[in-house]
Amino acid sequence: GESVGLHLPTLSVQEGDNSIINCAYSNSASDYFIWYKQESGKGPQFIIDIRSNMDKRQGQRVTVLLNKTVKHLSLQIAATQPGDSAVYFCAENMDTGRRALTFGSGTRLQVQP
Amino acid sequence: DAGVIQSPRHEVTEMGQEVTLRCKPISGHNSLFWYRQTMMRGLELLIYFNNNVPIDDSGMPEDRFSAKMPNASFSTLKIQPSEPRDSAVYFCASRTTYMGTGELFFGEGSRLTVL
Repeated sequence: GESVGLHLPTLSVQEGDNSIINCAYSNSASDYFIWYKQESGKGPQFIIDIRSNMDKRQGQRVTVLLNKTVKHLSLQIAATQPGDSAVYFCAENMDTGRRALTFGSGTRLQVQP
Repeated sequence: DAGVIQSPRHEVTEMGQEVTLRCKPISGHNSLFWYRQTMMRGLELLIYFNNNVPIDDSGMPEDRFSAKMPNASFSTLKIQPSEPRDSAVYFCASRTTYMGTGELFFGEGSRLTVL
């Protein structure tokens, strides 16, 4: 079962395709951003972060893009796998992460085999 | 290495009862956070502590909610009296502010149902 039964926007992709999850953040003063993954019945898990002095950061199969002009963040997942199915949250912070994170509403990713 | 440990994982109680949720942060972390997750409001911050001191409790819904951190390895979130609208998953998270990163490490959550 789900963690909380959220009525979230859903992105459905085929296994092996690339996924792009978007997020609009709210605070123009935010200088640190994180993407979290939440699987059913579990707590959010860190995926990747980026500071405002960067516009792109790559991890293993994931890339985060930051556009401060329009306050937009995206998470790209390459070669999406069934294990990537989860809810994805973006989170923002100020003071380079020394305060509490503010979370977005989340996007559900469903990977079809 | 143990992560953030929360208890209980599930709690079902009746309206008016006192509920106490517990959290053990990761050893060495000096900041602790309580978040609540609901269908309507998503993940929202209730309160956070730095070095056992409450820094921001503006997210605590009302006087029925209280949180304490008596030492670096333990925190409680108490609801008294509980109401059905308090039903949610409550997450505890911790981090260190000494490493220069803002990553929060979350526990598995405590699912509270108030009947």
